[in-house]
Amino acid sequence: DSGVTQTPKHLITATGQRVTLRCSPRSGDLSVYWYQQSLDQGLQFLIQYYNGEERAKGNILERFSAQQFPDLHSELNLSSLELGDSALYFCASSVGDRSYNEQFFGPGTRLTVL
Amino acid sequence: AQSVTQPDIHITVSEGASLELRCNYSYGATPYLFWYVQSPGQGLQLLLKYFSGDTLVQGIKGFEAEFKRSQSSFNLRKPSVHWSDAAEYFCAVGKQNDYKLSFGAGTTVTVRA
Repeated sequence: DSGVTQTPKHLITATGQRVTLRCSPRSGDLSVYWYQQSLDQGLQFLIQYYNGEERAKGNILERFSAQQFPDLHSELNLSSLELGDSALYFCASSVGDRSYNEQFFGPGTRLTVL
Repeated sequence: AQSVTQPDIHITVSEGASLELRCNYSYGATPYLFWYVQSPGQGLQLLLKYFSGDTLVQGIKGFEAEFKRSQSSFNLRKPSVHWSDAAEYFCAVGKQNDYKLSFGAGTTVTVRA
């Protein structure tokens, strides 16, 4: 158990819908990262927050947004969902914000868009 | 731009045999290097990391990796694999003064009895 929790574990929804994925980092960690893992794209970095502020952005679509709240939990919002958004979404956390900090991964949320 | 290459998509190895997974990166300076493992249905777990110093690093579960600057490589090894080592392995690279990691495409390891 990494100490990072993600809810829900599974999510099935329809095209055009909007969903919210939630992540609670390990106690004491200030950084939260979001990744998308799919068969064709592999593990793609989406976005990073550190202590409530956006720190780095990766291949995140405009239809996707995220935020980190004062209690440090984070939410990833996916809207106007398409079939291609079906993937495993991971959250990770680390103490600091730099690339040398070990990232601890949650178990993921599997999103299926029908 | 930095990139991470894991040349082997899939490796099959017999239980008890040795295992070596390749990772190459492109980056001008010494990067921060990581190997993660993802067991089926699980998140990623850190096996080991290299920042500086001794180029041979030991990790958890009996894994080790060697940093070779001349070859821009950070290959992962295990002398004797166990059936529980069947998983997907990811090499990741972090750039100095940067925030995020770049992950390779992953290598799936199958262990046969």
